Amino acid sequence: EDQVTQSPEALRLQEGESSSLNCSYTVSGLRGLFWYRQDPGKGPEFLFTLYSAGEEKEKERLKATLTKKESFLHITAPKPEDSATYLCAGSRGSNYKLTFGKGTLLTVNP
Amino acid sequence: DVKVTQSSRYLVKRTGEKVFLECVQDMDHENMFWYRQDPGLGLRLIYFSYDVKMKEKGDIPEGYSVSREKKERFSLILESASTNQTSMYLCASSLREQYFGPGTRLTVT
Repeated sequence: EDQVTQSPEALRLQEGESSSLNCSYTVSGLRGLFWYRQDPGKGPEFLFTLYSAGEEKEKERLKATLTKKESFLHITAPKPEDSATYLCAGSRGSNYKLTFGKGTLLTVNP
Repeated sequence: DVKVTQSSRYLVKRTGEKVFLECVQDMDHENMFWYRQDPGLGLRLIYFSYDVKMKEKGDIPEGYSVSREKKERFSLILESASTNQTSMYLCASSLREQYFGPGTRLTVT
């Protein structure tokens, strides 16, 4: 059974305090690892797709990396507007069905 | 920009009612998905469709059905709503990465 596990469940940072979120996966024949941001009461917003170990992608203060067993979302010098739930998901099918983790709730205090 | 719209942001229905949730995408995507999201349980896939008139069960299809008569529209149907179907319902469409709609918060009383 495919599984995606995110840690920590919640993370509280001070503005400017860099950190990383973890996503470990057991998805047979992984075809893609996806990161999303979700604000309260809204649908998830797509951030990144990673396809192979060693791949990295960046967007503003966020950088996602992928190894054979896990992915990290690094947040550099976060701001309060980065507060959100960050979701990780893996896919192995050609129809791109996703298996989601339960998310990490990030709070950045000013 | 990809746009996925859902027919209602908030919906209140009574137990036993038939409920239709509509989703429309404007990007000519082949794949469309329906999820529900509950605290502590995360996003769970109800049904998905990879082509018009094609559908496959997800992880929690019981109590739900779907319809996809046109490529851009994917409907979720609760044949007889129950209180345990109170949830946030999210629709998504994709070629590769999934793009989500704003969600429908359904309350069944």
